Amino acid sequence: GDSVTQMEGPVTLSEEAFLTINCTYTATGYPSLFWYVQYPGEGLQLLLKATKADDKGSNKGFEATYRKETTSFHLEKGSVQVSDSAVYFCALRATGGFKTIFGAGTRLFVKA
Amino acid sequence: KAGVTQTPRYLIKTRGQQVTLSCSPISGHRSVSWYQQTPGQGLQFLFEYFSETQRNKGNFPGRFSGRQFSNSRSEMNVSTLELGDSALYLCASSVGGLGEGTQYFGPGTRLLVL
Repeated sequence: GDSVTQMEGPVTLSEEAFLTINCTYTATGYPSLFWYVQYPGEGLQLLLKATKADDKGSNKGFEATYRKETTSFHLEKGSVQVSDSAVYFCALRATGGFKTIFGAGTRLFVKA
Repeated sequence: KAGVTQTPRYLIKTRGQQVTLSCSPISGHRSVSWYQQTPGQGLQFLFEYFSETQRNKGNFPGRFSGRQFSNSRSEMNVSTLELGDSALYLCASSVGGLGEGTQYFGPGTRLLVL
């Protein structure tokens, strides 16, 4: 079945450091890919998405490119801030599918 | 446009009781999904409703049930609560149909079973 694997955390970075959170997926067909972020005590917020191969999703300085050849959707940010501390979830949804499949989440801590 | 709303935000129940959680989707969205989030199991899919019909169900016991109303609002019910049902319950809405299905999440209902 479809699945998402993302790097284990926690990831601890200093402010202004470069961030990469790896995400790979297994799916039949051409799913849509998503990154969600969850701040403490809150629900999930959509961070960015990509719906076809080679698409780049971007938002708030975060970027991820849909790589079908490597079945990956790695999240990157050039300069993290303390306010980026949260849990990040990679997810996929098959076109016309009925559920979103999530990775286990990666907790990010950013130190001032 | 208002986001997904969930009520109540917090609940404390005791074992054996039942609970009903409510979700109002974004206006115009016809699909509502429910997820359970726990530290040990992560995000697990419960079920999805579209136009008042359950389209898919996750691997949860029959104590977990849901429904959707004609205005797309949804409720989920958990009967005979167990300690292990303590979790954050998240509702998500999407336009529905055969599109790419971006889901937008509510803030969740945190359920504590004592």
